[in-house]
Amino acid sequence: ILNVEQSPQSLHVQEGDSTNFTCSFPSSNFYALHWYRWETAKSPEALFVMTLNGDEKKKGRISATLNTKEGYSYLYIKGSQPEDSATYLCAFRGGSYIPTFGRGTSLIVHP
Amino acid sequence: SQTIHQWPATLVQPVGSPLSLECTVEGTSNPNLYWYRQAAGRGLQLLFYSVGIGQISSEVPQNLSASRPQDRQFILSSKKLLLSDSGFYLCAWLSGGSTDTQYFGPGTRLTVL
Repeated sequence: ILNVEQSPQSLHVQEGDSTNFTCSFPSSNFYALHWYRWETAKSPEALFVMTLNGDEKKKGRISATLNTKEGYSYLYIKGSQPEDSATYLCAFRGGSYIPTFGRGTSLIVHP
Repeated sequence: SQTIHQWPATLVQPVGSPLSLECTVEGTSNPNLYWYRQAAGRGLQLLFYSVGIGQISSEVPQNLSASRPQDRQFILSSKKLLLSDSGFYLCAWLSGGSTDTQYFGPGTRLTVL
């Protein structure tokens, strides 16, 4: 059983704050790391797919980094807005067709 | 572009009744298909995946089953629903390449009473 951990479990920030959270995954047999944004009662929306050690991806105010040697990825949100409130999921793929999902970080941005 | 359809969007069923949820994918061929469930207060749990027609792998023992009668059709079924089957069911597909992402359907909210 692969262990994919996300921390913190939940996070409350004020509008305008920058924030970041972590996804930890096995450092061996790495294939890809996915980040998703998941709003309640909707389907997860893909943010990034990261495959190379040292990868950095950016989409608007959201960015992510990847360290495959130590088995972690960070997701950053700059200047959080209330519409950023969602659960952020990461999923690890270790060379198979089966992504292993973390339990997510629930972000609530207060106006 | 690829599109994934799921229906119904919501479903309320009595305990012991059968279930059939359908998922179809457009715009791709030979996709890897997945059924996930999110139970209340829980994370995303993989139920079944399929790499081709008639090929189904089950991840979690349960009273659910899945079938893939056509390349782009994936069906989740149950003969007798349990209260614990309530949740949000998501169908997803993945091409398989390292840079390919997994796309999710709109989901079905199932309530078993």
